[in-house]
Amino acid sequence: SAVISQKPSRDICQRGTSLTIQCQVDSQVTMMFWYRQQPGQSLTLIATANQGSEATYESGFVIDKFPISRPNLTFSTLTVSNMSPEDSSIYLCSVVKSGGGYEQYFGPGTRLTVT
Amino acid sequence: AQKVTQAQTEISVVEKEDVTLDCVYETRDTTYYLFWYKQPPSGELVFLIRRNSFDEQNEISGRYSWNFQKSTSSFNFTITASQVVDSAVYFCALRPSNDYKLSFGAGTTVTVGA
Repeated sequence: SAVISQKPSRDICQRGTSLTIQCQVDSQVTMMFWYRQQPGQSLTLIATANQGSEATYESGFVIDKFPISRPNLTFSTLTVSNMSPEDSSIYLCSVVKSGGGYEQYFGPGTRLTVT
Repeated sequence: AQKVTQAQTEISVVEKEDVTLDCVYETRDTTYYLFWYKQPPSGELVFLIRRNSFDEQNEISGRYSWNFQKSTSSFNFTITASQVVDSAVYFCALRPSNDYKLSFGAGTTVTVGA
């Protein structure tokens, strides 16, 4: 398995501000992803975090709103920019380990509330 | 395009009852992986199982069992002798074998009462 930590675990932010979420993994991983889970909803993939290059975004998500960095094989950040109440969600980091059995693990999530 | 359907929104049972969660999927890929995750109230997503599309053997792990039937595109999950700690939202997910992007179902909320 993989031990994944996210910071912060939760936050309450004012609209118009930005929040950066960090994801740290205890070992090198092949793939890192960011998912969003809106209240009472399922998970939706935001983007694939690519090491050393621009993230690959899914339909409906753009870099200006959700800039992502991945400077190395164990760390990534997701920024939620110019927040509105609709951004209130749980944001989860997900990884696939190098040489692993294709299991996909998730971090504990960051609960964001925008007021 | 891929789609995962969990028709059951909520299921309530009393302790020691068995509960079966349905999962039906659609995919055009010939090889793919199916997953089940548990999300307790704490919010963390806990990996339960991964199943390859070419392996239709049913699997049992403790009180958990999974029934994969490719002919009906279903991957159902049964909790035997349920316990209060089983109360959570359970998600079924699918991804093609050549990609790591998961498509999730809507989730089924299981509530186990004492």
